[in-house]
Amino acid sequence: AQSVTQLGSHVSVSEGALVLLRCNYSSSVPPYLFWYVQYPNQGLQLLLKYTSAATLVKGINGFEAEFKKSETSFHLTKPSAHMSDAAEYFCAVSKNQAGTALIFGKGTTLSVSS
Amino acid sequence: IAGITQAPTSQILAAGRRMTLRCTQDMRHNAMYWYRQDLGLGLRLIHYSNTAGTTGKGEVPDGYSVSRANTDDFPLTLASAVPSQTSVYFCASRAGGGTGELFFGEGSRLTVL
Repeated sequence: AQSVTQLGSHVSVSEGALVLLRCNYSSSVPPYLFWYVQYPNQGLQLLLKYTSAATLVKGINGFEAEFKKSETSFHLTKPSAHMSDAAEYFCAVSKNQAGTALIFGKGTTLSVSS
Repeated sequence: IAGITQAPTSQILAAGRRMTLRCTQDMRHNAMYWYRQDLGLGLRLIHYSNTAGTTGKGEVPDGYSVSRANTDDFPLTLASAVPSQTSVYFCASRAGGGTGELFFGEGSRLTVL
């Protein structure tokens, strides 16, 4: 079975500070990993995905994530937070299999203060 | 490109009533999914369909049913709504292959009183 654990339901940073959102996964097969962002009253939007190519993945809006198999982690980072980054972030895992659903973590709410 | 369209966007429903949430995609994706989002619980899979004519149960299927008569439409039905089904419901589709991302609709906010 696959699962995802997001450490910290709420993270607060100052504008310009480093953003680090933690995600650990469990998977019996090589996983595909995703980060999604959700702005208030909207659907989920893909930030980036890992699909067994480069372990450091760059996404939209300056975010990146590094797949570390030894640590079973896929943490999301951004060097300098912006007020517009305030949102809810979801890590998700799936198998390498057509039609497989994504399994989501419980989400981390990012707050950015000026 | 519209992507995924969900309707209604919001609905208040009396307990015991029947309700169908509609979902239509124009991307010709084979796989479609229904998730519910609840505070502190993230997104949980209700039902899925890997291709037209087939459906399967997810993590929380009780009280819900789906059908997939064609590629584009994937309605979710609550036969007799209960207050615990108050939630935000998201429909999603996925392109072929395991690397494909999910594309989400804007969600349907359902309140059962």
